[in-house]
Amino acid sequence: DIQMTQSPSTLSASVGDRVTITCRASQSISSWLAWYQQKPGKAPKLLIYKASSLESGVPSRFSGSGSGTEFTLTISSLQPDDFATYYCQQYNSYSLTFGGGTKVEIK
Amino acid sequence: EVQLVESGGGLVQPGGSLRLSCSASGFTFSSYAMHWVRQAPGKGLEYVSAISSNGGSTYYADSVKGRFTISRDNSKNTLYLQMSSLRAEDTAVYYCVKAGSSWSLFDYWGQGTLVTVSS
Repeated sequence: DIQMTQSPSTLSASVGDRVTITCRASQSISSWLAWYQQKPGKAPKLLIYKASSLESGVPSRFSGSGSGTEFTLTISSLQPDDFATYYCQQYNSYSLTFGGGTKVEIK
Repeated sequence: EVQLVESGGGLVQPGGSLRLSCSASGFTFSSYAMHWVRQAPGKGLEYVSAISSNGGSTYYADSVKGRFTISRDNSKNTLYLQMSSLRAEDTAVYYCVKAGSSWSLFDYWGQGTLVTVSS
């Protein structure tokens, strides 16, 4: 199975900060990477697909980049609604895998 | 509006069985692959199983292979997960998930149903 490693596992930031989360794959996944946001007690929500494509309705302050084995999710100016846990997911192989998650907390 | 509503969760003893259902609406159910993803309490997301749009192909994570069976009834717009030989480590919220532009991209999630395996 392809292992997905996210860093950091927890991130403390303030409203207005630029935030970057990294996701590394154990082997190349081309651009077959998605990012999801999950709030406590809620289902995950798709933010980014194919590494850098913004899902419809997602604010433009979210962006994704990368290919191969290294990817990033950037929030350009953190808003109160963005405090949540973020997961990456590779969909390059049938054995789909998620990263361990990054919790974005209020500083 | 896409809606996915899971049901069937609950408390079950180790070794027992349970069947989860997911009622879908707001899209052409028979045109999309569907998935189950689970999340143990306080933990991350774990992929469980997939089924193709016509039900002809299925996939299982190694952790559930041979114990869980995914199926669908396109006439009823319903997805199922039959779980047997349940273990404590199967305790989780189980999400029904719709595939997006790729069969393995998850664009809509249900609210989840909690399965607790305990004596």
